[in-house]
Amino acid sequence: QKEVEQNSGPLSVPEGAIASLNCTYSDRGSQSFFWYRQYSGKSPELIMFIYSNGDKEDGRFTAQLNKASQYVSLLIRDSQPSDSATYLCAPFSGSARQLTFGSGTQLTVLP
Amino acid sequence: DGGITQSPKYLFRKEGQNVTLSCEQNLNHDAMYWYRQDPGQGLRLIYYSQIVNDFQKGDIAEGYSVSREKKESFPLTVTSAQKNPTAFYLCATRTSGRGSSYNEQFFGPGTRLTVL
Repeated sequence: QKEVEQNSGPLSVPEGAIASLNCTYSDRGSQSFFWYRQYSGKSPELIMFIYSNGDKEDGRFTAQLNKASQYVSLLIRDSQPSDSATYLCAPFSGSARQLTFGSGTQLTVLP
Repeated sequence: DGGITQSPKYLFRKEGQNVTLSCEQNLNHDAMYWYRQDPGQGLRLIYYSQIVNDFQKGDIAEGYSVSREKKESFPLTVTSAQKNPTAFYLCATRTSGRGSSYNEQFFGPGTRLTVL
């Protein structure tokens, strides 16, 4: 059983729309949750992280966390073609001291 | 210029050869990690090290070996025992300290290994 589940996509949205990326996880000991963006052929880059239930906003990005439901999401407002990439969800386990990555959601923003 | 460097960027290996991938960092981070990524897949943990002279196996350590003699360096050797080594290899470091806000993990640019 996969520990971190993400819709693989591809997810296509028109430019200017809101893109919604979802992630569920199985480890209830996960303390914090990271979202990475990975362009094709490149290494992942950190977008943002969240560790408290609720919403956290950073520019056009909003992370949402619901620990009771073991669910974390990333919203991208006013999507741009440059947002086209694969987005990786990664819970951090305090006991294992490591991140566990989902397989990613491929997002395409259409001009 | 600070950060994480990986070399080489591209590496070609003949079957039966061992190869070593370099990872160096000047961020003064204690923890370092090696991941493997196959096309269309997420990242899988090979080995990690929380401190110098100590390291632990990750989920897919078979056929790989590492060393951590210096804080700045965490080389990965892909041995001939690794049956399907063609992949994108990523090195990462993590900040340390109390509180989850200090657990940010940063990645190097990666090494793409191809077995001929």
